[in-house]
Amino acid sequence: DGGITQSPKYLFRKEGQNVTLSCEQNLNHDAMYWYRQDPGQGLRLIYYSQIVNDFQKGDIAEGYSVSREKKESFPLTVTSAQKNPTAFYLCASSINDGTKQYYGYTFGSGTRLTVV
Amino acid sequence: RKEVEQDPGPFNVPEGATVAFNCTYSNSASQSFFWYRQDCRKEPKLLMSVYSSGNEDGRFTAQLNRASQYISLLIRDSKLSDSATYLCVVNMFGNTGGFKTIFGAGTRLFVKA
Repeated sequence: DGGITQSPKYLFRKEGQNVTLSCEQNLNHDAMYWYRQDPGQGLRLIYYSQIVNDFQKGDIAEGYSVSREKKESFPLTVTSAQKNPTAFYLCASSINDGTKQYYGYTFGSGTRLTVV
Repeated sequence: RKEVEQDPGPFNVPEGATVAFNCTYSNSASQSFFWYRQDCRKEPKLLMSVYSSGNEDGRFTAQLNRASQYISLLIRDSKLSDSATYLCVVNMFGNTGGFKTIFGAGTRLFVKA
């Protein structure tokens, strides 16, 4: 079955440590996204990529980095520069239909990151 | 004013009830609209797109009112399994000219026996 897989499900980070969250999809989607969800807030966009080897900053990119070397993969690194990283991180993918945006997202099951 | 606003609820309804949620958006040039369902500690899942003429999927009806800039979701004959948070999503033109997708914070629904 096609889908989008995130790992790990739970991740604990020590102060000053960089951690990488994995996101893999086999839906043949061009566009991929990383969102962060905090309690009582809507999802906030961290980074997105509409095509391989290209990505753009979202609304809250500071302290994060990404790469898009393969169509299927869009890993997110949470660096030590991110001061409040404890959150639920969601990866999503979609058909890239340019400006039409008539397709919704498929989300992975998420990674819960906690700073210890 | 937030770009997409939803009543956080919670809405507590008995099984079999009809319940409706509204979601308002600030940008009149918004292009497409969706409702997602999110269960506790899970990922959001696309429930339905919202079309200009309104659309129905079983017990769920979505409507768009461009003049008043809101979308709505109506759930008829509520089931216990409908208990979840419902997210409103709007695609709109951003300040830099490109599209951006804005998620509402969600409306919580509890359906009780």
